[in-house]
Amino acid sequence: IVLTQSPDTLSLSPGERATLSCRTSRAGNTNYLAWYQQRPGQPPRLLIYAASNRATDIPDRFSGSGSGTDFTLTIDRLEPDDSAIYYCQHHTGSPPDYPFGQGTKLEI
Amino acid sequence: EVQLVESGGGLVQPGGSLRLSCAASGFNFGAYWMHWVRQVPGERPMWVSRINPEGSATIYADSVRGRFTISRDNAKNTLYLQMNSLRAGDTAIYYCVRDLTEDIVDFDCWGQGTLVTVSS
Repeated sequence: IVLTQSPDTLSLSPGERATLSCRTSRAGNTNYLAWYQQRPGQPPRLLIYAASNRATDIPDRFSGSGSGTDFTLTIDRLEPDDSAIYYCQHHTGSPPDYPFGQGTKLEI
Repeated sequence: EVQLVESGGGLVQPGGSLRLSCAASGFNFGAYWMHWVRQVPGERPMWVSRINPEGSATIYADSVRGRFTISRDNAKNTLYLQMNSLRAGDTAIYYCVRDLTEDIVDFDCWGQGTLVTVSS
């Protein structure tokens, strides 16, 4: 399964809304779609799991949606601290893999 | 506080071996599936391997199968990655990662990573 994210880079202003897309090459279990935020020099941080569930301590400005092959991460009321690279991730059983998308760089 | 701390990275020649360790604290380590994920700076993360809570079931990415071995010692709260026949393409930061829930992809806790450099 291949994950393709768009756009590659997104430049927005504080207070605006960001919409990030992740498309999978084939439909799979929605429980396997996750989103991560990675700031420079830091490991990825889990934001969303099972396509639409926020991880612990993630603000409600972050939301996930989608099914089938098309998934979206939405970030409302953007803050400068949201500047980061955002990755989506999925899982396949055969061959075993947990592939990541190429990432979307969000600049605030 | 849930914490994962990797160690054991460094510079190794092609064909050489390294053993990474990951010390877990702040949670019941023996109850969780664990993974190793690597990342070349500037590139997307790449999953490497997974182990079940008991240590009896393991899976690997195609690129490392037969060369890497994941294992764990629940009594010591430690995860390991034995890496043999290392190649330049294995150069990356290696992260130890906790999988919060079986059957859901939710890598909820990551270590800070340990850098492995394979070069002559």
